[in-house]
Amino acid sequence: SQTIHQWPATLVQPVGSPLSLECTVEGTSNPNLYWYRQAAGRGLQLLFYSVGIGQISSEVPQNLSASRPQDRQFILSSKKLLLSDSGFYLCAWSVSLAGNTIYFGEGSWLTVV
Amino acid sequence: AQKVTQAQTEISVVEKEDVTLDCVYETRDTTYYLFWYKQPPSGELVFLIRRNSFDEQNEISGRYSWNFQKSTSSFNFTITASQVVDSAVYFCALLEPFNKFYFGSGTKLNVKP
Repeated sequence: SQTIHQWPATLVQPVGSPLSLECTVEGTSNPNLYWYRQAAGRGLQLLFYSVGIGQISSEVPQNLSASRPQDRQFILSSKKLLLSDSGFYLCAWSVSLAGNTIYFGEGSWLTVV
Repeated sequence: AQKVTQAQTEISVVEKEDVTLDCVYETRDTTYYLFWYKQPPSGELVFLIRRNSFDEQNEISGRYSWNFQKSTSSFNFTITASQVVDSAVYFCALLEPFNKFYFGSGTKLNVKP
């Protein structure tokens, strides 16, 4: 069966510091991968999605970036965090066919102080 | 414009009451998919149901039921005989072609004993 795992689960970082959140999917090949952010415990905002290695689409301009160095690995990064980057970050995957369900990881709580 | 609207920000019910969570969507595509996810306090989003645009049959799964009506672009979710464990934030989502997911802002359900 397929599993998705992201880490770290919680992170407290000072303003201006770098960020790296990692996500891996097991049990499937060539998945679509997504990063979402949920601010203030509510609505989900799509940040990035990827349909293949090295293929990243950005939905919202910001100081975050994403990379997909391997088929089942998705990384969310920032060179300098802002206070407004605080939130709950969710990695997700779906089978690379239209109409398939998206499944989420456990989430990572980021607090920028 | 919002692709998915969940007008109810928060609902509180007493255990054993029935409750309906509303979801209205907007799309020009004839092929699309609708989803409901549950987000308990732990944070992880749990997939509940997926429906495609060509299947308007209502679905029942235990205490959960879903009413899909294309005429009103709605996909409402009813919990019968609610329980405290149903307390969570519930998200409705729309998937259009090319795997772009749109989430509503969520409805927080509080079930009191």
